[in-house]
Amino acid sequence: SQTIHQWPATLVQPVGSPLSLECTVEGTSNPNLYWYRQAAGRGLQLLFYSVGIGQISSEVPQNLSASRPQDRQFILSSKKLLLSDSGFYLCASDRGTRETQYFGPGTRLLVL
Amino acid sequence: TQLLEQSPQFLSIQEGENLTVYCNSSSVFSSLQWYRQEPGEGPVLLVTVVTGGEVKKLKRLTFQFGDARKDSSLHITAAQPGDTGLYLCALHTGGFKTIFGAGTRLFVKA
Repeated sequence: SQTIHQWPATLVQPVGSPLSLECTVEGTSNPNLYWYRQAAGRGLQLLFYSVGIGQISSEVPQNLSASRPQDRQFILSSKKLLLSDSGFYLCASDRGTRETQYFGPGTRLLVL
Repeated sequence: TQLLEQSPQFLSIQEGENLTVYCNSSSVFSSLQWYRQEPGEGPVLLVTVVTGGEVKKLKRLTFQFGDARKDSSLHITAAQPGDTGLYLCALHTGGFKTIFGAGTRLFVKA
C-alpha cells in the first residue's frame, strides 16, 4: 500500500514570506499527484494536479505554484504569502487510475 | 457546474444510536468515494462505489449508491465515540478532477 508524507505538519508564516510544502509518496510508481486546500467547514478545493515529472495543471488562479521534480515528489510553493493562503493543505495520490485518491496527513498553514 | 451536497452538515448523537448521512449530486458520476477525516489529519478512504444500486458494508457502516448514480447514503448502526469525525463524499466524473462535498461532522457522545 502507498504511504504519503507531508511536511511540515504545521507552519506559521508572516505575510509576504515565501512558502515551500513538500509531499512524497512511497509504495507506488507513476502516481497522479494532487494538492488540495481545505478551509474550515468547506470541502476540499483542488489547487494543482500532476500526471508526471515536470507536468503541472493548475485548477484555480492564485499566487501559489507547484512543481514535481521527481516521480514521487510534489512541492507547493509561493513567493509571497497572503493572509488568504491560510488553511489546511493536503497532498493526495492515486495509482494512475484517476479514481480513488489517498491523502497525506496535511500541513496546517497560518499566515499572520 | 457540478454540485455535491451533503446533509446534515452537523450531527450530534448518543452512543448506540443509528444515523444516516446523505450525499446528493446534480449530475451523474462514474464513481463515488466516502472518506472519514479526523481533526488535523488527512481524509481516510472508507469505500468506493461504482455500480448504480450498489450496497457495501464495512462493519457497522452501510454505504448505498443510488440507482441513478446521483446520490449516496452512509448508515451507521450503533454509533460509537470512535465514529466521531468529518464524513466526506467525493464524486469522480472520469477526468482528473474529483469533487468533494463540504462534509457531515458527526459527534458521538459516550
